[in-house]
Amino acid sequence: GEDVEQSLFLSVREGDSSVINCTYTDSSSTYLYWYKQEPGAGLQLLTYIFSNMDMKQDQRLTVLLNKKDKHLSLRIADTQTGDSAIYFCAETITSGGYQKVTFGTGTKLQVIP
Amino acid sequence: DSGVTQTPKHLITATGQRVTLRCSPRSGDLSVYWYQQSLDQGLQFLIQYYNGEERAKGNILERFSAQQFPDLHSELNLSSLELGDSALYFCASSVERLGVETQYFGPGTRLLVL
Repeated sequence: GEDVEQSLFLSVREGDSSVINCTYTDSSSTYLYWYKQEPGAGLQLLTYIFSNMDMKQDQRLTVLLNKKDKHLSLRIADTQTGDSAIYFCAETITSGGYQKVTFGTGTKLQVIP
Repeated sequence: DSGVTQTPKHLITATGQRVTLRCSPRSGDLSVYWYQQSLDQGLQFLIQYYNGEERAKGNILERFSAQQFPDLHSELNLSSLELGDSALYFCASSVERLGVETQYFGPGTRLLVL
């Protein structure tokens, strides 16, 4: 199966850390992404992680990958109101020389001032 | 600004009608993807073109079709429209660097079928 699942909603207070979780079912994923969608806009790439990595840090963002459990998480430190958006994880599978990207259901992050 | 443009921004039409959505990819990007985003079904991959050829097909209905032209712009045609086709339609173009393919999304076309 190729389902990528996320919880639908997360609410945090400004200044706290946010952790958005994602599970995927295809163990042959070569790399995984996090995208952000602000209201009224398209998706924007935040970060990605190769499947042979456990962790990637990029400023306030930390991505953790647990291949055994097929679990991906995005931690946003010191969450700001501008981080309010929908966050999508996505996996990429290389098959037949092509790459196929499957997006998760999206998690709506609400940051309370 | 991702560099991907989509027109029109908004479209209101009636059931049974046919509409065409247009996408211009970023300069140099050969791949174009189409997605449908509705409130209850999240982001659904419809179809991908690469340099004018269909590369992958997702959950695209038979009433929908797409093409990519020699100048690499793409059109998504939606026909016999139903109320349930109301959604945001996104186009994305992609580039591969160091083995990682990154998709750049356009601002979307919001379709309302009445």
